[in-house]
This record gives sequence, structure tokens and C-alpha cells, in this order.
Amino acid sequence: TQLLEQSPQFLSIQEGENLTVYCNSSSVFSSLQWYRQEPGEGPVLLVTVVTGGEVKKLKRLTFQFGDARKDSSLHITAAQPGDTGLYLCAGAPNYGQNFVFGPGTRLSVLP
Amino acid sequence: ETGVTQTPRHLVMGMTNKKSLKCEQHLGHNAMYWYKQSAKKPLELMFVYSLEERVENNSVPSRFSPECPNSSHLFLHLHTLQPEDSALYLCASSLGLGLGDTQYFGPGTRLTVL
Repeated sequence: TQLLEQSPQFLSIQEGENLTVYCNSSSVFSSLQWYRQEPGEGPVLLVTVVTGGEVKKLKRLTFQFGDARKDSSLHITAAQPGDTGLYLCAGAPNYGQNFVFGPGTRLSVLP
Repeated sequence: ETGVTQTPRHLVMGMTNKKSLKCEQHLGHNAMYWYKQSAKKPLELMFVYSLEERVENNSVPSRFSPECPNSSHLFLHLHTLQPEDSALYLCASSLGLGLGDTQYFGPGTRLTVL
């Protein structure tokens, strides 16, 4: 079983601060996804990364896939209260296999 | 609104009850999934259906019984559950089972087993 770890588990910051959350594994993934889940809702896909070293930007969010495709990071610039939620990473061990989810980082951005 | 709806949103049941969770997708997708999300565990994939056929069962106890009568509807029948089965049950759908097929999640059913 592939195991994904996410850190930190909880993060509480003030509006306007920058932050980075991490997703790590000892195994290689063919692709990795990041989701955000708000209270009372299901996860919503933010991005999929498939190439080692790949960097994708989504407005104030920057996603990076590690060169060895074992880890990923999500950086948020100038966080806003609307960024509050549970950030989940999910990795696919091989093409066509189902994604395995990490436990998530719960982010709280205070106004 | 993701195009995937789940009912009921909240359910409280006793260990001897029988209940069913319903999921409906309005996206024209061919694959549907059931996940379990517990408070201190990662999201766990339970079942996968593709074109109404079950293609994956991740060692889920038989007290959970899925049903997919057509590609738009997915049910999870529950009977003789245990308190540790209390969790958020999420349904998802995707166009297919390929790597590039995004999964769209419903809002979930919060289940409490007394």
C-alpha cells in the first residue's frame, strides 16, 4: 500500500501571510493531485501534476511535483479567509490505478 | 455544485437498522465511486463502478453492499453496522477510469452509528 504523508497536519495563519504545505511518500507516483475540501462539501480538484519537477500555478497557488515524483508542495501567497479548508494530496502509483489519498492539511486563515 | 448529489446529507442509525445512501450524477459520466472519510484517516476508496459493473472492491466488509442500477445512480446499502463505521461517505464520478479523468465529488452523507 502506497502511503502519503502530509505536513503540517494543522495550520492557522493570518490573512496576507504566505504558507507552504507538503505531501511526501517513499514511493514514486505517476501523477499527483491536490484537492481542497471545505466544511460540508466534498473535495474539489485543484491541479494534477504528472512530470517530475513540474510547476503549475493557479492564481495565488503554486504547485510543484518533486523531481523524483515522490513528493509535492503547495504554496499559497497572500492567503485569504476563502482559502480555509482541508487540503488533500492524492497519488496514482501507476497509470490507470486508483489514486491514494493523504490525510490532509487543515488550513485556517484568520481575517 | 459539482453535478453530483447525495442523499441523505445526515443519517443516524442503530446497529440493527438497514438504510441506504443514494448518489446521483448529472454529468454523463461512466464511472462512479464510494469513499469513506473518517476523522483521523485518509480518504479510503471502497468501491468503483464502470459502466454499471463493479471493477473494484477494496476489502470492504459485507455489511456494505453497493448497487449501480445505471450509470447515473449509485447506492450504498447498509446493514448491521458498527459504531466504527461512523464517517462521511463520499460519492464521486468521472468520465472514465483514465488518469486524466477528473473525479467530481458529492457533498457526502454524514453517517452516525449508535
